[in-house]
Amino acid sequence: QKEVEQNSGPLSVPEGAIASLNCTYSDRGSQSFFWYRQYSGKSPELIMFIYSNGDKEDGRFTAQLNKASQYVSLLIRDSQPSDSATYLCAVMESGGSYIPTFGRGTSLIVHP
Amino acid sequence: SQTIHQWPATLVQPVGSPLSLECTVEGTSNPNLYWYRQAAGRGLQLLFYSVGIGQISSEVPQNLSASRPQDRQFILSSKKLLLSDSGFYLCAWSYGGPNYNSPLHFGNGTRLTVT
Repeated sequence: QKEVEQNSGPLSVPEGAIASLNCTYSDRGSQSFFWYRQYSGKSPELIMFIYSNGDKEDGRFTAQLNKASQYVSLLIRDSQPSDSATYLCAVMESGGSYIPTFGRGTSLIVHP
Repeated sequence: SQTIHQWPATLVQPVGSPLSLECTVEGTSNPNLYWYRQAAGRGLQLLFYSVGIGQISSEVPQNLSASRPQDRQFILSSKKLLLSDSGFYLCAWSYGGPNYNSPLHFGNGTRLTVT
């Protein structure tokens, strides 16, 4: 059974710090990796995706992928209170899959 | 650009009543469509997905059903709601076909409370 593991948190960081969110996955055939942000009471919003090993940067967000170690991480630089949310990791395999496997999410709290 | 509409936003229904939630997608053809449920403080539970009109795959056997009467319309139904059906229902779409690079995009969700 495919699994995607995330620490549920909460992860608490001060404003301006770097928040580091981690995700491990069990399926070595996984090819696509997504990060979603979900504010309380709202639906998940796609914020990053990564397909290749290494880093991918988009503004204050950096996704890091290491397929050999089967982990993907999301770094948020200069964290703001508005970044406080639950972050969901999703993983999709290759070979005709339509269904991503979601982690249960990590709660991030950025305090002023 | 693509947009997804989901309604209603909130719903309060008595136990035993029927349910119909609707979702439509604009700006793309033959999308993959999904229904998820998220219980309070819990992860996403996939209920149904569809890769084409009339094609529905069920992930969780229960008193819910789904239909796809048109290419970009996905409906979640129940004949008789249970208390355990309460939750946050999310419709999502992705580009059609086995495109493993395509992420899911979620609607705004429907918060269902069964009383």
